[in-house]
Amino acid sequence: DARVTQTPRHKVTEMGQEVTMRCQPILGHNTVFWYRQTMMQGLELLAYFRNRAPLDDSGMPKDRFSAEMPDATLATLKIQPSEPRDSAVYFCASGSIAGGSGNTIYFGEGSWLTVV
Amino acid sequence: AQSVAQPEDQVNVAEGNPLTVKCTYSVSGNPYLFWYVQYPNRGLQFLLKYITGDNLVKGSYGFEAEFNKSQTSFHLKKPSALVSDSALYFCAVRDTFSGYALNFGKGTSLLVTP
Repeated sequence: DARVTQTPRHKVTEMGQEVTMRCQPILGHNTVFWYRQTMMQGLELLAYFRNRAPLDDSGMPKDRFSAEMPDATLATLKIQPSEPRDSAVYFCASGSIAGGSGNTIYFGEGSWLTVV
Repeated sequence: AQSVAQPEDQVNVAEGNPLTVKCTYSVSGNPYLFWYVQYPNRGLQFLLKYITGDNLVKGSYGFEAEFNKSQTSFHLKKPSALVSDSALYFCAVRDTFSGYALNFGKGTSLLVTP
């Protein structure tokens, strides 16, 4: 059963620490998304990659967040330094997307981050 | 720009009654519309989508949605609600011009009471 895999599932860290979240997209999917979910803002698109190239990271705070896709099976989202306001659920999603297509994207179970 | 609106933060319905969760959209081109469900402490699960063709789309767990172009709506429906349907429901849109990401609504919390 193909699925998007995210690690860690839960992370509690102290303010100022570096946090790295990892995502293994579904094999064969060419587009990988990072979304953040909070009570106040709902689901926000942070960044996404197509064929491993970053296409849009306009939703991501550039000073502390970075997203990379070192190979087709791994996407990472890093926060350095972390702040309490970064506490949220971070979702990775993947899909086989062509421009303007109706293809579905599939979500992982999320990384639940708490920064104290 | 593409966006969806879910006008209700919460919908309450008794088990066995029909349910409707509302969604309206705004796009530049033609819309691709999606519904996802999120159970507590879980990721989003795909329910159904409208791409083209029949305006009534059937999906998982007995859910269906009706695309209405004149009203720019894509309401989620189920003829008979179950307590286990209680969850957070998200409507999302991608248009034929802007391609890749989905824009999500704020979500509607559905509570089905026994």
